[in-house]
Amino acid sequence: ETGVTQSPTHLIKTRGQQVTLRCSSQSGHNTVSWYQQALGQGPQFIFQYYREEENGRGNFPPRFSGLQFPNYSSELNVNALELDDSALYLCASSPPTGKNTEAFFGQGTRLTVV
Amino acid sequence: RKEVEQDPGPFNVPEGATVAFNCTYSNSASQSFFWYRQDCRKEPKLLMSVYSSGNEDGRFTAQLNRASQYISLLIRDSKLSDSATYLCVVNGWAAGNKLTFGGGTRVLVKP
Repeated sequence: ETGVTQSPTHLIKTRGQQVTLRCSSQSGHNTVSWYQQALGQGPQFIFQYYREEENGRGNFPPRFSGLQFPNYSSELNVNALELDDSALYLCASSPPTGKNTEAFFGQGTRLTVV
Repeated sequence: RKEVEQDPGPFNVPEGATVAFNCTYSNSASQSFFWYRQDCRKEPKLLMSVYSSGNEDGRFTAQLNRASQYISLLIRDSKLSDSATYLCVVNGWAAGNKLTFGGGTRVLVKP
């Protein structure tokens, strides 16, 4: 167990709806990153939060947004859901020991858009 | 061109055999390298970091070739439990811990 927990584990939404996914980082970790993993592909970086500020973003449209709270937990929000948003969404937390440290992944939220 | 490329496989490996596979990365400024293992419908888990001098962890050996920009993973004495997808991961982001994943190499170890 990594200590990173995500909720919900599974979710089904209709195209056009909005969704919020949640992540509790491992104790002591102040950096949270979100990844999208489509079936048969590797995870793709969405964005990262460090001390409640967005600290970098991948090639995802603005309808993907996030938050980080003072306790370092985080949310990923996706508006105007599209069928292609169906994927496993992974949250990873990292300790505050600088760059190039191991990322610890949660079990993921499997989102299906119909 | 993808930033990190891997042979998707599958590599069908007899139990007890050795298997090796590579990944290539395009960003020469990449700073750190990892192999993650992902079981079906589970989250990725760190298998090992990859150091410039090469490193070994039990039956697993990782190598880094910065000049040719590739990373390799070798598994000796394969076990049935080694069946998984192996993700090559590169961290090239100086300001943080953004990981760039390859598409994964699927390994199937058979009796």
